[in-house]
Amino acid sequence: DAGVIQSPRHEVTEMGQEVTLRCKPISGHDYLFWYRQTMMRGLELLIYFNNNVPIDDSGMPEDRFSAKMPNASFSTLKIQPSEPRDSAVYFCASSLGANTEAFFGQGTRLTVV
Amino acid sequence: QQQVKQSPQSLIVQKGGISIINCAYENTAFDYFPWYQQFPGKGPALLIAIRPDVSEKKEGRFTISFNKSAKQFSLHIMDSQPGDSATYFCAALQGGSEKLVFGKGTKLTVNP
Repeated sequence: DAGVIQSPRHEVTEMGQEVTLRCKPISGHDYLFWYRQTMMRGLELLIYFNNNVPIDDSGMPEDRFSAKMPNASFSTLKIQPSEPRDSAVYFCASSLGANTEAFFGQGTRLTVV
Repeated sequence: QQQVKQSPQSLIVQKGGISIINCAYENTAFDYFPWYQQFPGKGPALLIAIRPDVSEKKEGRFTISFNKSAKQFSLHIMDSQPGDSATYFCAALQGGSEKLVFGKGTKLTVNP
């Protein structure tokens, strides 16, 4: 397996634009997580899914953020409209669940100017 | 509210030395404590993990020491190598939840 695949690796967008980040989890993993990493706040869990169903979205900063998982092999994190303070590295991770290892993708570095 | 406090923020060690990173937590419901290693431009990767029923776990040069009564755990890297230079994150997970809570990270530099 190629691991968790995220795209794009880098995204630069203007304030107010819509941004969509994509993730393909490891096949067979039941859990998918979206994290945001910044220097100030470190790694923060935004939302996680179990079997494609959102379980906990309490970390989503505001209504501008939304995440979907239409099937077991694909998830998106959308920011609309984007703001400069959304600039961060966004990681997707997947796991088998039940306190097992979470495997992270390489991340998407988002810059909103 | 920071659920897992990690220190130091940065650490410089000479090759062959011992690197020690400490973490403390408040939530006694946490029952799984992993350490992740992150290289620049990469996602975090699991290094070693421990559950509170043991006080120490060793894998090669990496050891986790766990003090349940003090609610503290630490990572020791023996014979540190320049290739160990990375950012290390401690984390904690509550039983019944999949919400991994991370410390803020320690940037380790091992000088040759």
